[in-house]
Amino acid sequence: EVQLVESGGGLVQPGGSLRLSCAASGFTVSSNYMSWVRQAPGKGLEWVSVIYSGGSTYYADSVKGRFTISRHNSKNTLYLQMNSLRAEDTAVYYCASHPAAGFDYWGQGTLVTVSS
Amino acid sequence: AIRMTQSPSSFSASTGDRVTITCRASQGISSYLAWYQQKPGKAPKLLIYAASTLQSGVPSRFSGSGSGTDFTLTISCLQSEDFATYYCQQYYSYPPWTFGQGTKVEIK
Repeated sequence: EVQLVESGGGLVQPGGSLRLSCAASGFTVSSNYMSWVRQAPGKGLEWVSVIYSGGSTYYADSVKGRFTISRHNSKNTLYLQMNSLRAEDTAVYYCASHPAAGFDYWGQGTLVTVSS
Repeated sequence: AIRMTQSPSSFSASTGDRVTITCRASQGISSYLAWYQQKPGKAPKLLIYAASTLQSGVPSRFSGSGSGTDFTLTISCLQSEDFATYYCQQYYSYPPWTFGQGTKVEIK
């Protein structure tokens, strides 16, 4: 059974940093496109970042230069390093896999709150 | 980036109703469109991909159609567990992958 479990969310002050983790089981993170998608309170879904199976990474303009996506192959885990956090980064962050068409597996989400 | 626009943003319906949600892309995306269902406090769930292909395990009362710029999600006979928010998403041109703003289906 495929399972994605996020962790690392919490309350952080503006300008602070946080690292999110997404531990996968039942499939191999490095063999799939893996993305982070976020959802601000009461709002819709926003794609944040992707890491391709080949290792290429891409970011939404709203987080470019502040967030870094990575993976640890032996731990089968995806990460999102978030620096220079802003109030508008407050959201539930989901990791998701998308092997071909559509984002088929999602984690349960982890809440990041940026506030003083 | 391709912009996805859903309509309506929300509406009320009754169990047993046939409901249709529309999604429009700002440019042609062939059939590279997915639909998701999201319930409060839960992660989105993939319902349909390639505009009309049902994800494994999704009930047959859900169907999708369209190509190019205009797409629809239809629920043929609304069940109580279908009250949720639905999102369309394009994967024709990426990154970024872009979602519609969502359509909330509420109980009348």
